[in-house]
Amino acid sequence: DIVMTQTPLSLSVTPGQPASISCKSSQSLLHSDGKTYLYWFVQKPGQSPQLLIYEVSTRFSGVPDRFSGTESGTDFTLKISRVEAEDVGVYYCMQSIQLPYTFGPGTKLEIK
Amino acid sequence: QVQLVESGGGVVQPGGSLRLSCAAAGFTFSGYGMHWVRQAPGKGLEWVAATAYDGIKQFYADSVKGRFTISRDNSKKTLFLQMSSLRPEDTAVYFCAKGSRAVALDYWGQGTLVTVSS
Repeated sequence: DIVMTQTPLSLSVTPGQPASISCKSSQSLLHSDGKTYLYWFVQKPGQSPQLLIYEVSTRFSGVPDRFSGTESGTDFTLKISRVEAEDVGVYYCMQSIQLPYTFGPGTKLEIK
Repeated sequence: QVQLVESGGGVVQPGGSLRLSCAAAGFTFSGYGMHWVRQAPGKGLEWVAATAYDGIKQFYADSVKGRFTISRDNSKKTLFLQMSSLRPEDTAVYFCAKGSRAVALDYWGQGTLVTVSS
């Protein structure tokens, strides 16, 4: 199985400041179809997870453009340009290039 | 809009069985693969099982293989998870999620809690 790791596991950010979460996969997520199957989800308190970004950098419907995703090989980064209070929650990366889909351990974002 | 509503959770003794359901609305259910993902209390997310759009192929995590069966009824727009030989470590909130090769797990239900305890 592909192992996904995330750093940091928690971070506290002042509203209006940027935030960055890193994710690393144990294997390449680049498929022969040219797509890289790396996803970002957020689980806000008391809610089910919701999709933020797919294929490394494509924002899902309705996701604000302050969220962005980048990659460098097997290293991936989720960036929030200006954190807002509503961004509090646990952020997960996930790979879907092969089954079983595997998630990172999650990064808890708190607001200062 | 897409709606996924899970039901069937509850308390069950170790070794027991339970059947979860996920009612879908707002999209062409028969055109998409469907997944179950679980979250143990205070823990992260674990993919459990998936079924292709037509129900012909099923896929399972090693942790549930041989004990859980995923199925679907496209005429009723409903996804199922039959769980047997339940263990305390199966205690979790179980989410159903819609997926495709293009975009995996794009919509999730609110989850249903399964507690395995004597």
